[in-house]
Amino acid sequence: KQEVTQIPAALSVPEGENLVLNCSFTDSAIYNLQWFRQDPGKGLTSLLLIQSSQREQTSGRLNASLDKSSGRSTLYIAASQPGDSATYLCAVIGGSQGNLIFGKGTKLSVKP
Amino acid sequence: GAVVSQHPSWVICKSGTSVKIECRSLDFQATTMFWYRQFPKQSLMLMATSNEGSKATYEQGVEKDKFLINHASLTLSTLTVTSAHPEDSSFYICSARWEGLLEQYFGPGTRLTVT
Repeated sequence: KQEVTQIPAALSVPEGENLVLNCSFTDSAIYNLQWFRQDPGKGLTSLLLIQSSQREQTSGRLNASLDKSSGRSTLYIAASQPGDSATYLCAVIGGSQGNLIFGKGTKLSVKP
Repeated sequence: GAVVSQHPSWVICKSGTSVKIECRSLDFQATTMFWYRQFPKQSLMLMATSNEGSKATYEQGVEKDKFLINHASLTLSTLTVTSAHPEDSSFYICSARWEGLLEQYFGPGTRLTVT
């Protein structure tokens, strides 16, 4: 059974710092991995999707990497801003019906 | 990009009543829709998968007679929470995708509070 773990559960950094969020999964047989952002009480915003054949994806200040063999992904955020404060969720497609399996998220707080 | 809406965005109901939540794909035909539930400080957990025109497939531990899912058209799926209880209070989020693609598009979620 696929399990997704995110470390740390919470992170607080001063504005301007670069930071890395970690995600690990137990079954390397995934179709893709996706990073989402969730603001309090809100739905999900897709940030980056990495297909299983890819090793990384970039969008603006965000860079996500994928190492299937080791079951790991990282989300790198450069020059963090207070507006980046949110919970970041990692998810993989692992179910037989193509559903996403989510980690519990990392709650990020960027202090001005 | 693909847009998925949910209605209502929040609802408060009394224990024992039923609540219907709608999930619509606004600019694409969703052959598959997923319903997730998120309790406070927890991650999203899949409740069920629905394919247009067929019965939903429920995850282990989710009561299909309590959480009725209907996917009658390619743009609409509904989740009805029957005889709601306070422990059903949660954030319900749907997602949709079209055939042949793995990427899912998420709705904004519905906050259900059962008093």
